[in-house]
Amino acid sequence: EAGVAQSPRYKIIEKRQSVAFWCNPISGHATLYWYQQILGQGPKLLIQFQNNGVVDDSQLPKDRFSAERLKGVDSTLKIQPAKLEDSAVYLCASSFQPGTYEQYFGPGTRLTVT
Amino acid sequence: GESVGLHLPTLSVQEGDNSIINCAYSNSASDYFIWYKQESGKGPQFIIDIRSNMDKRQGQRVTVLLNKTVKHLSLQIAATQPGDSAVYFCAENSHGNKLVFGAGTILRVKS
Repeated sequence: EAGVAQSPRYKIIEKRQSVAFWCNPISGHATLYWYQQILGQGPKLLIQFQNNGVVDDSQLPKDRFSAERLKGVDSTLKIQPAKLEDSAVYLCASSFQPGTYEQYFGPGTRLTVT
Repeated sequence: GESVGLHLPTLSVQEGDNSIINCAYSNSASDYFIWYKQESGKGPQFIIDIRSNMDKRQGQRVTVLLNKTVKHLSLQIAATQPGDSAVYFCAENSHGNKLVFGAGTILRVKS
């Protein structure tokens, strides 16, 4: 079974620029999550989708972050404009259904904002 | 709440010894706990889980212990191997809501 795919793996941008990350979850997984992992910390949930609907985006900085999952499969996370403190690894995870606690994580995208 | 910092606690063990990694959780309503392993450049990988109606669960070379009285979770790894070197995170979940991760512990295995 193929795992969660993410791209790009690395991205370096200057502050105030825009960036987008892409995630393809495991086939058949209805629930998709985006996490932010700052160096030295555990992952923090940014947004959770159930199919193409948002379940929880309470920790998403909506003034600069946006995410979509239009067809209920792939998802993109965008930051516009980026700040220095957005430097982190952005992890995508998926699970078969909500309430299924086991989440499968992708390799992440390491973002550096200079 | 979560502890924050660049300097994660580090546990160094000799290959073949047993490792014990500890975690204090914050939410007394949490009913499900997971241990994840994260190697450099990779996403977290599920190791073992335990529900709040249990106090011990065993897997292959790993055991998780839960003490709800003091809100403490531990991961025991038997016969630690070099491939076990990674950052280990505990995560808690309350009634199907979002996972909340702890800060992590670095495990270094010396050959």
